[in-house]
Amino acid sequence: SQQGEEDPQALSIQEGENATMNCSYKTSINNLQWYRQNSGRGLVHLILIRSNEREKHSGRLRVTLDTSKKSSSLLITASRAADTASYFCATGAGMTTDSWGKLQFGAGTQVVVTP
Amino acid sequence: GAGVSQSPRYKVAKRGQDVALRCDPISGHVSLFWYQQALGQGPEFLTYFQNEAQLDKSGLPSDRFFAERPEGSVSTLKIQRTQQEDSAVYLCASSRGSGLGSPLHFGNGTRLTVT
Repeated sequence: SQQGEEDPQALSIQEGENATMNCSYKTSINNLQWYRQNSGRGLVHLILIRSNEREKHSGRLRVTLDTSKKSSSLLITASRAADTASYFCATGAGMTTDSWGKLQFGAGTQVVVTP
Repeated sequence: GAGVSQSPRYKVAKRGQDVALRCDPISGHVSLFWYQQALGQGPEFLTYFQNEAQLDKSGLPSDRFFAERPEGSVSTLKIQRTQQEDSAVYLCASSRGSGLGSPLHFGNGTRLTVT
């Protein structure tokens, strides 16, 4: 079973536009991470936001977290063709050494950026 | 290379055959994870090692699945008597730390097709 749900499932935009995708989750978390996956490749870590943080920036990426609504958003500004990929949110609920890496992923948002 | 390496890249097995999937983590990474990704879905957790100790195997779908990391470096995921529902991409990830929120570094995966 998957913890998170991304919305929308697919997004098509033109270069230079902003892309926003949302993630909702069900249970309490201690951190939420966003990953990118290019077709046929592994996942690449983009950004991590802890449960006591509300917003985080990394380059053209901006992530928000609202724990009261159990939701997060990822904004990619000034998108490029190279941003074409699937984007996944992953929640970590484990509080112990034994369980911290057990991430639960959503089904992803497929983003296509056309030149 | 500096990344997580998985082999083979593709594997076709006839139903009932045993398969072994290999993962070479980033040198020095303490933690190692296996995830299963079905087509169009996000990865699902299978198992987690810290050094050679398997701390969590709660995601392994059946006793046909077995993972090991005997020397705390290379890991092998073995699937016995493969079934068609085992067809998926198997992703390995490693992480430097064993603390909360350390990002995972993924390999490109092994695509298993069971015919």
